[in-house]
Amino acid sequence: DARVTQTPRHKVTEMGQEVTMRCQPILGHNTVFWYRQTMMQGLELLAYFRNRAPLDDSGMPKDRFSAEMPDATLATLKIQPSEPRDSAVYFCASGWDRLERLEQYFGPGTRLTVT
Amino acid sequence: QQQVKQSPQSLIVQKGGISIINCAYENTAFDYFPWYQQFPGKGPALLIAIRPDVSEKKEGRFTISFNKSAKQFSLHIMDSQPGDSATYFCAATLLKAAGNKLTFGGGTRVLVKP
Repeated sequence: DARVTQTPRHKVTEMGQEVTMRCQPILGHNTVFWYRQTMMQGLELLAYFRNRAPLDDSGMPKDRFSAEMPDATLATLKIQPSEPRDSAVYFCASGWDRLERLEQYFGPGTRLTVT
Repeated sequence: QQQVKQSPQSLIVQKGGISIINCAYENTAFDYFPWYQQFPGKGPALLIAIRPDVSEKKEGRFTISFNKSAKQFSLHIMDSQPGDSATYFCAATLLKAAGNKLTFGGGTRVLVKP
């Protein structure tokens, strides 16, 4: 049963520290998405990749967030420096681009708390 | 143009009742409308999806109704069970667009009382 894995599952850090979240997409998927979920804003798309190339990161605060896919098995989301307002659950999702449907499989999320 | 508005924000239904969640979209180019189900502490999971060339799609106790002219679609959960208690998100996208992405509604928290 293939799944998207995310590490760490929980992260507590102090304001100003660097945070790195990792995602292993499902083998064979060609798209990877990073979302942020908060009670106030719901699900926000931060960035996404297709065939490892970044397609859109307009939802991401550029000055502190960065997303990369160093290889097909790893996607990373970094926050530097972190701020309390970054506290949220961050989800990675992977899937295929298809003309007849769009499939996204979400990971379990990383719950980030910035104090 | 890209918004998807979802209502209600929350609803409580008795076991065996019908849960109804509504979504409205603005972009008439959208051509794929999935619903996701999220349990506490988990990521969202695809529940059911519809294309605009059909007005209804049913999978088990879950039915999507689609009204293209009104730019609205809804999820009906028939014979609601306590195990259906979750947050439900509607979404929309344009499949033909390069690098298509989902636009999500704000979510509806459903509580099914036994």
